[in-house]
Amino acid sequence: DIQLTQSPSFLSASVGDRVTITCRASQGISSYLAWYQQKPGKAPKLLIYSASTLQSGVPSRFSGSGSGTEFTLTISSLQPEDFATYYCQQLNSYPLTFGGGTKVEIK
Amino acid sequence: EVQVLESGGGLVQPGGSLRLSCAASGFTFNKYPMSWVRQAPGKGLEWVSLIGSSVIGSRGGNTHYAESVKGRFTISRDNSKNTLYLQMNSLRVEDTAVYYCAKCGGGNAFDSWGQGTLVTVSS
Repeated sequence: DIQLTQSPSFLSASVGDRVTITCRASQGISSYLAWYQQKPGKAPKLLIYSASTLQSGVPSRFSGSGSGTEFTLTISSLQPEDFATYYCQQLNSYPLTFGGGTKVEIK
Repeated sequence: EVQVLESGGGLVQPGGSLRLSCAASGFTFNKYPMSWVRQAPGKGLEWVSLIGSSVIGSRGGNTHYAESVKGRFTISRDNSKNTLYLQMNSLRVEDTAVYYCAKCGGGNAFDSWGQGTLVTVSS
């Protein structure tokens, strides 16, 4: 199975900060990676697919990059509504797997 | 508007069974793979199962499972009813979670999710 390791697992940041979250895969997954945002008590929301393609309706301050085993999600200027938990997911092979999550909290 | 709506969760004893349903609307259901994802209380997301699309016939395509549920859970779909199912047998305490239904979209990522249905396995 492909393991996904997210770092950091917890991040404290201020509104306006540039935030970067990393997801490392235990083996190469090409660009078969997605990023999701989840707020408490809510379903996850797709932000990025195919490593760098912005899902329709998602603000352009979110961006994704990487291929192979190392990927990043960047929020260029953190907004109040961005405080949430973020997960990466690999779609390269079964079983599909998620990273452990990165919780972004207000500093 | 794309919508998926889960139902069927509840309290069940260990060893029991439960069937979850997911009613889909707002898209051509039979053209898209569908998946189940769960989240135990206070924990992260865990992929459970996926069923491929099927344009021919009403019962859907290939199925895939997480090792933790293989042999106990069965995913299926009825394209004539735009509905996805998850039959869960031999339930364990560790199956307690909110179960989400999700539609696969671009890059096969999960682009539409339901609100989730809570399954509690306890004696």
